[in-house]
Amino acid sequence: GQQLNQSPQSMFIQEGEDVSMNCTSSSIFNTWLWYKQDPGEGPVLLIALYKAGELTSNGRLTAQFGITRKDSFLNISASIPSDVGIYFCAGLLSGNTGKLIFGQGTTLQVKP
Amino acid sequence: NAGVTQTPKFQVLKTGQSMTLQCAQDMNHNSMYWYRQDPGMGLRLIYYSASEGTTDKGEVPNGYNVSRLNKREFSLRLESAAPSQTSVYFCASRGYLYEQYFGPGTRLTVT
Repeated sequence: GQQLNQSPQSMFIQEGEDVSMNCTSSSIFNTWLWYKQDPGEGPVLLIALYKAGELTSNGRLTAQFGITRKDSFLNISASIPSDVGIYFCAGLLSGNTGKLIFGQGTTLQVKP
Repeated sequence: NAGVTQTPKFQVLKTGQSMTLQCAQDMNHNSMYWYRQDPGMGLRLIYYSASEGTTDKGEVPNGYNVSRLNKREFSLRLESAAPSQTSVYFCASRGYLYEQYFGPGTRLTVT
């Protein structure tokens, strides 16, 4: 079946550093979504990407929809302690069901 | 707006017991989804409802049933709980550009 592979699996960085993570697939997706999950909470949508090559920002977060439509990238600039959490990518499956397939997540820890 | 709400927040069941997880959304969305989240495995789709009156199986439907009671509410039922169903369960509804909005989750332990 289709799979999304996120890397790295986990990151431990110093406050103020920039962060990059990515999500790759063997399948093409027409929409990519990035979510953040805080401990004990549900995932919260960060950025949605709808067009190949699209670059979208949300504050310190920037996400890109790869040209091949098989990958996506999320960057966080100048990390702060509240960036701690699990970041998930999701690809929209074809058809009208709206079903998403999720990566396994990248766990980010930030050292003050 | 409350968004997506789920009850209960925590539940402990014994093997063989049944229970229903409740989900409601106030965003007037047509489509709703149930996921389970296990460590290191991301979110896996159990069942979904594209619109009121319709439901379909997702990736991991065995051991579960669902009811789309009306446009707002979508419930998930475990008829005979098993330890393998220990997980965190999330309900979501879909917006107009395919983005999904999640509830806070139900943490279920089956002993």
